[in-house]
Amino acid sequence: DQQVKQNSPSLSVQEGRISILNCDYTNSMFDYFLWYKKYPAEGPTFLISISSIKDKNEDGRFTVFLNKSAKHLSLHIVPSQPGDSAVYFCAASGGGANSKLTFGKGITLSVRP
Amino acid sequence: GAGVSQSPRYKVAKRGQDVALRCDPISGHVSLFWYQQALGQGPEFLTYFQNEAQLDKSGLPSDRFFAERPEGSVSTLKIQRTQQEDSAVYLCASSLMGLANEQFFGPGTRLTVL
Repeated sequence: DQQVKQNSPSLSVQEGRISILNCDYTNSMFDYFLWYKKYPAEGPTFLISISSIKDKNEDGRFTVFLNKSAKHLSLHIVPSQPGDSAVYFCAASGGGANSKLTFGKGITLSVRP
Repeated sequence: GAGVSQSPRYKVAKRGQDVALRCDPISGHVSLFWYQQALGQGPEFLTYFQNEAQLDKSGLPSDRFFAERPEGSVSTLKIQRTQQEDSAVYLCASSLMGLANEQFFGPGTRLTVL
């Protein structure tokens, strides 16, 4: 059973607009959440993270929101740029040492010029 | 280079062959993780090392999978008697202390079993 779910396989947005990527999780033991970006033939690259003690974390154009009661997080990209076109993975961890990551299936974001 | 490197980048094996996949972590990184990414899926955890100690191998799918990191640096993932279902991208990640937000991934090895 998928403990981290990204239910939309793809998203297409216009350049300059907001991209909202959603992620749901089922395991209440997760206390650290991450977003990774992946280009073809490359490994995932860390983008932004959030601890369960927060509900928002912002880094430049990227903001992650966490709703613990709903077990839901989202990544907002504003404004979207063509270079943001990639696969985005949501991941979760129990935190601390030996923090193996549990990933969602990923969502393919396409930003149209 | 400064990043995690993996070799080979691509490997084609006939069913039943043994393969060995190598990971060179970032120098000084204590923790090393292996993940398996099947087509259309997210990466799935296989095993974790802290220095040379394999502390978690709960994700290894069968006893045909074996990983080692004898000197606490380079790691090798070995798959014996490969099967078609082993076809996937194998990703290695390293981290300074094992914390989730510090995991740096290599480019992966794409294994195709015919």
